[in-house]
Amino acid sequence: AQSVTQLDSQVPVFEEAPVELRCNYSSSVSVYLFWYVQYPNQGLQLLLKYLSGSTLVKSINGFEAEFNKSQTSFHLRKPSVHISDTAEYFCAVTNTGFQKLVFGTGTRLLVSP
Amino acid sequence: DTGVSQNPRHKITKRGQNVTFRCDPISEHNRLYWYRQTLGQGPEFLTYFQNEAQLEKSRLLSDRFSAERPKGSFSTLEIQRTEQGDSAMYLCASGVRGTEQETQYFGPGTRLLVL
Repeated sequence: AQSVTQLDSQVPVFEEAPVELRCNYSSSVSVYLFWYVQYPNQGLQLLLKYLSGSTLVKSINGFEAEFNKSQTSFHLRKPSVHISDTAEYFCAVTNTGFQKLVFGTGTRLLVSP
Repeated sequence: DTGVSQNPRHKITKRGQNVTFRCDPISEHNRLYWYRQTLGQGPEFLTYFQNEAQLEKSRLLSDRFSAERPKGSFSTLEIQRTEQGDSAMYLCASGVRGTEQETQYFGPGTRLLVL
């Protein structure tokens, strides 16, 4: 069985400051990892994913995440946040058979001016 | 690519009534997934299909829940004899089986409120 832990339920940050949203996973098999973002009253949008290859993956809007197998982590970072980044962020894991995603409980990112 | 669509977007029903939700996946996707999300929680897996075959069902999917994907295209999720605990956002996702395509794309969800 797999599980995901997002320790921070809410992260307040000022605009243009850096941010890190933490994600740790547990799995006995090889995994694929994902970050999804959910804006209010909307579905989930894929932000970035790690399937194989380079352990550092990047999104088009400045977010990046690094897969760390030894620490079983996939933390999400952005060097300078915008007001529009305010949303709920979910980390998710699946095995390489890709039957289902297991999500963390989410981290609400609140960006203030 | 029109994305995953779900209907209705909102549903209010009385306890004991039956409800049915529809999901239309991205056209070339052979996998379709259903998840449930309650307030303050991440989505929880309910079931998934590969083409028309239902390959896995979560223990969350009680006997009152049934899902179908009759022709391997759209899917329906029916809840019979709804209970207040069924109130949640029901999310559908679709994907393609394959290495670089191993990604699930989500629809906007159907929000269910059981009174």
